[in-house]
Formats: sequence, C-alpha cells, structure tokens
Amino acid sequence: DAGITQSPRYKITETGRQVTLMCHQTWSHSYMFWYRQDLGHGLRLIYYSAAADITDKGEVPDGYVVSRSKTENFPLTLESATRSQTSVYFCASSDTGRTDTQYFGPGTRLTVL
Amino acid sequence: AQKVTQAQTEISVVEKEDVTLDCVYETRDTTYYLFWYKQPPSGELVFLIRRNSFDEQNEISGRYSWNFQKSTSSFNFTITASQVVDSAVYFCALSSPGGGADGLTFGKGTHLIIQP
Repeated sequence: DAGITQSPRYKITETGRQVTLMCHQTWSHSYMFWYRQDLGHGLRLIYYSAAADITDKGEVPDGYVVSRSKTENFPLTLESATRSQTSVYFCASSDTGRTDTQYFGPGTRLTVL
Repeated sequence: AQKVTQAQTEISVVEKEDVTLDCVYETRDTTYYLFWYKQPPSGELVFLIRRNSFDEQNEISGRYSWNFQKSTSSFNFTITASQVVDSAVYFCALSSPGGGADGLTFGKGTHLIIQP
C-alpha cells in the first residue's frame, strides 16, 4: 500500500523558474491539501481540493497554482519561483475533509536560489 | 479565526522521565477536532491522535496519554517513561467546520529532546 507519495523529494531551482511538485495518493481520498513548513511558522495551508476539479485557497496561496484533474493527483506549481518559497512542502489527504484525519506525504524540500 | 498555541518551543529531558507537551487552542465553534502529529528527525509527519470536542475522556495509548480540557481549551500530550526514540517535533492542530479553509490549523510545534 503506497499511501501518499511526493516527487521530487529534493529540488533546487533558480529564481523565476517554474517548478511543479507532484503528489499522488492511492487511497481514493476525496480531499487533498498542500502545506508549507517554515521555521517559526509551523505548517501553513497553501491550497486544498475537495474533489477532482474543485480547488480552493488556503492561508498562503500567493505565487502558487494547483489543479486536480484526477482524484489521485494534486500537483502544486510555482509559476515563477522566489527565494521566499524556499521551504518544505507537504501534501496530505483525507477521506471526508476538514474534520477527518489528514495523512501526510514524505515532503519535498525546495530550495530557490 | 482559530489558533493553536504551543508555548514550549523546546523541551529537553533525560530518558525515562515523564514529559508533558502543552497545547492551547482558540475557536468559536462548538464542534471541532484536535490532532497531534509527530515529526521525527527523518522529517515525515506521523499522525498520533484525533479527538472531537464532545469527547472529553482522556486517551491512553501505551506510554502516550492525552488530556483534553474544554474548560481551559487545552489538549496536552504526556509521554511516560520517555525514550530516545521519542525525540521529535510534536505538532498540535485544530480543525473546525467554521474555521475557514478546510485545512488544519497547526501550532508551531514543540521540539522534544530525550537525552540518553
């Protein structure tokens, strides 16, 4: 049972480049989430999706784009990466939404130079 | 708006000591859910417990126990007879129907160091 996976696990890019972080889950969970983890801030919600083709903003959505054409995939795109987007990104999924347990992927460490 | 406060940034204890991690939350909702996650040095986030606001019974799972007190808006986590493997960052999180976006609101985490 693969659960929830993220790729790449590590990424180094340059300011201004477009970067896409991938998230895939095998549980057929309806909800998927993207968080970023920064020292001093804990984890903050970027975007979430309640189902395929339904997405919504979280606390810190600026500079990010998401899509969800299939239930199992939820890619996060940084259209023009900035140094402030250097962070660890976690994808999560849950069966029924905000009150259900969220299970997290292993994370992607992104460095923007 | 909802908020989670973990006032202890870092705690260091010697192995076999008991340790309590504090979590205080704020929400205007009467129905809400509280969570604890563990983040070991390897970096993944591991789910530990989920508790709803209508269940105030304390929970015990092996060496772990949780004390939920609505009167003080606290959901504290105690590790009994700590072990080196318990060293990690622990996050408390809150979710409520009226909390805006569908995600969890996390505290900033408590870094627990268990010294051998």
